[in-house]
Amino acid sequence: GENVEQHPSTLSVQEGDSAVIKCTYSDSASNYFPWYKQELGKRPQLIIDIRSNVGEKKDQRIAVTLNKTAKHFSLHITETQPEDSAVYFCAAPIGGGFKTIFGAGTRLFVKA
Amino acid sequence: GAGVSQSPRYKVAKRGQDVALRCDPISGHVSLFWYQQALGQGPEFLTYFQNEAQLDKSGLPSDRFFAERPEGSVSTLKIQRTQQEDSAVYLCASSPTSGGLWETQYFGPGTRLLVL
Repeated sequence: GENVEQHPSTLSVQEGDSAVIKCTYSDSASNYFPWYKQELGKRPQLIIDIRSNVGEKKDQRIAVTLNKTAKHFSLHITETQPEDSAVYFCAAPIGGGFKTIFGAGTRLFVKA
Repeated sequence: GAGVSQSPRYKVAKRGQDVALRCDPISGHVSLFWYQQALGQGPEFLTYFQNEAQLDKSGLPSDRFFAERPEGSVSTLKIQRTQQEDSAVYLCASSPTSGGLWETQYFGPGTRLLVL
């Protein structure tokens, strides 16, 4: 079926290290791939997104890469800080309708 | 400007009770989505509105769930005869145009529903 798989489910890094979270999607027609950050008890907030006409997008310490052939995209956070600790979700529109499917989330811990 | 707001923020219901959850999208936003987020999971799509038209309700889990957006702004998600498995956070999101899937969705704070 249509789905978005996200790995790892938990990621622990030392402050200053890099973190990488990967997602794969099933619908080859998907062409918009956002990443959301959700802190405990708060709303998901967009941190970066990418469209299928580019392979990489960067915003300060955050970057997203997209491989349409392999149907996967990744979030890269460099020079991690304790305030980066949160749950991160990838998402993709699926099925030609109006449904956005979210990954199961990655809980990132940045240890000071 | 004001973001997406939802009310109530918390709702405790007894099993079998009906509940109504409200979403106020960002003013002028055409697209509105409802999601259900269980503890420790990602948001799961429930339904989508483009203005007042409900164009996709494929994610509604049963006929106990009903959503409306009669004037193309405020939306209400109604759950009839609530069950314990309905306990979750219900998130509303809006986006500026009818290309809602291809642009940023702005989320509200959610309504945390607990069914006892």
